[in-house]
Amino acid sequence: GNSVTQMEGPVTLSEEAFLTINCTYTATGYPSLFWYVQYPGEGLQLLLKATKADDKGSNKGFEATYRKETTSFHLEKGSVQVSDSAVYFCALRDSNSGYALNFGKGTSLLVTP
Amino acid sequence: KAGVTQTPRYLIKTRGQQVTLSCSPISGHRSVSWYQQTPGQGLQFLFEYFSETQRNKGNFPGRFSGRQFSNSRSEMNVSTLELGDSALYLCASSLDNVGGKFFGPGTRLTVL
Repeated sequence: GNSVTQMEGPVTLSEEAFLTINCTYTATGYPSLFWYVQYPGEGLQLLLKATKADDKGSNKGFEATYRKETTSFHLEKGSVQVSDSAVYFCALRDSNSGYALNFGKGTSLLVTP
Repeated sequence: KAGVTQTPRYLIKTRGQQVTLSCSPISGHRSVSWYQQTPGQGLQFLFEYFSETQRNKGNFPGRFSGRQFSNSRSEMNVSTLELGDSALYLCASSLDNVGGKFFGPGTRLTVL
């Protein structure tokens, strides 16, 4: 079946540091991959997505590249801000799971001034 | 364009009661799906509806049910509540089954 594995958190960084959150997946089909962000007390916001191998999703300075050879979709940002503090979820979706989203456990990020 | 709205935002119930949660999708979106979020299990898929038909269902007991109306609004119902049903219930809408899913703020259910 499908599954997503994210690096354990929490991750604590200083403002302007480089961010990487690792995400690897297992899928039986050809999934689309997503990163969602959840701010305290809120629902999930779609951050970026990629629908096929070698696609790069980007938004608000965040990037992730769909790597089929390593089954990975790592999230990166060159310079984090305090306002980026949130929980980040990697997810996949494909037809074999009826298009339901399979989420990783989430990685909590805290950015300090 | 208004986002996904969920009502109520907070609910407190006791064991054995039942509860109904409501979700209004983004205008024009025909697909609505529900997820349960708990600290222990993370985000788990409950079910998905498209044009009033349930297309997919997660591994939850029959106490969890849902429906979708002709205007795409959706409700989910949980009967005979258990303590373990305490969670944040998230609704997501999308244009179709392959489009990006947009989530509402969730309903926080506490079962005492």
